[in-house]
Amino acid sequence: DTEVTQTPKHLVMGMTNKKSLKCEQHMGHRAMYWYKQKAKKPPELMFVYSYEKLSINESVPSRFSPECPNSSLLNLHLHALQPEDSALYLCASSQEGWPSSGYEQYFGPGTRLTVT
Amino acid sequence: AQRVTQPEKLLSVFKGAPVELKCNYSYSGSPELFWYVQYSRQRLQLLLRHISRESIKGFTADLNKGETSFHLKKPFAQEEDSAMYYCALSGLNAGGTSYGKLTFGQGTILTVHP
Repeated sequence: DTEVTQTPKHLVMGMTNKKSLKCEQHMGHRAMYWYKQKAKKPPELMFVYSYEKLSINESVPSRFSPECPNSSLLNLHLHALQPEDSALYLCASSQEGWPSSGYEQYFGPGTRLTVT
Repeated sequence: AQRVTQPEKLLSVFKGAPVELKCNYSYSGSPELFWYVQYSRQRLQLLLRHISRESIKGFTADLNKGETSFHLKKPFAQEEDSAMYYCALSGLNAGGTSYGKLTFGQGTILTVHP
């Protein structure tokens, strides 16, 4: 399996809801990433997990809470989001973790999130 | 801080014409540069990276540290090259490995007309 999968594909949630995004890879990669991508803009890094530990948090608001239960799985827990958080959320993985992360990042198809 | 600039939002060429997508970067240390491509309705994928010096789908890119540029070139564009192209930078630490923080440029939409 050489793909990064993400579920759900689409998610609509209210500002008081709690939801989670899921990302999975079975390539044996040791680094996993969350990115946020607004329409017609480049992906912006949110979090990096390396060897199942959080190694980079790009000053993301606490209403986004990442979790890495094991080396194949990455979650992003969402709570009390704002409409401006509506975006495509991309997950990626790479072979090695921090600080040797200069390998190709494999991206998932993304979850399109709409906050109402 | 690291920054990537792609000056052209849109680039249109005819099939068979040469194409060059510009990328300039700013980084105080040693950079690792990448080109990622996103075809219509497909996921973002790596096209090439400067360290491997490969030519993928006829595209090449040379890192010019003096001009802090990493322009993407192809001598003869094909219609299937139409896509969004992102230049990206990752900083290299003293050991020559990457920090893993990828910073993307704003992207260039390439359209190749028949």
